[in-house]
Amino acid sequence: AQKITQTQPGMFVQEKEAVTLDCTYDTSDPSYGLFWYKQPSSGEMIFLIYQGSYDQQNATEGRYSLNFQKARKSANLVISASQLGDSAMYFCAMSTSGGSNYKLTFGKGTLLTVNP
Amino acid sequence: DTGVSQNPRHKITKRGQNVTFRCDPISEHNRLYWYRQTLGQGPEFLTYFQNEAQLEKSRLLSDRFSAERPKGSFSTLEIQRTEQGDSAMYLCASSSPGGHQETQYFGPGTRLLVL
Repeated sequence: AQKITQTQPGMFVQEKEAVTLDCTYDTSDPSYGLFWYKQPSSGEMIFLIYQGSYDQQNATEGRYSLNFQKARKSANLVISASQLGDSAMYFCAMSTSGGSNYKLTFGKGTLLTVNP
Repeated sequence: DTGVSQNPRHKITKRGQNVTFRCDPISEHNRLYWYRQTLGQGPEFLTYFQNEAQLEKSRLLSDRFSAERPKGSFSTLEIQRTEQGDSAMYLCASSSPGGHQETQYFGPGTRLLVL
């Protein structure tokens, strides 16, 4: 069975500093995708970044980067130069395939608070 | 370019009533997913459509729940005889084929409160 673990219920960071949100995963599938989503208090899940299991390089999207360590089964999100608008819940997710169904398995999330 | 929309955004109902939620996916996406998110948890998969065909249902989806996607466009999720344990955020997502790379884009969700 696939599982995502996010061990940090809450994190605090000062504005303009960098922060790392931890994510470990467990799967026996050789092929999978890893995603990070942001969920503000409004509730919508906003896609941030994707990493494929066979990708050789770590993914980057603007201020977001994914520190992918396959042997350790970790996929940590790094947010550089934090902004007040980054305050939100952050979810790590993994795609698991069953035929054409690439449903996502989510962790419990980390609540990030950016302090001015 | 419109995103995924869901209606209503909020629903308060009494135990035992039926409720129906609607999801309109991104127009060119043929895959549609429903998830449920309870307080303090990440979303959990409920069901999946490819075009109009419902191809997978989670064990979380009891027989009181039914989902449809007529003509492969919008989808509805109905809960019959609601229970207090059904109180949650119901999220819809859509995507186009891409294997493990396919990105699911979520709607704003429908918050259900069963009194």
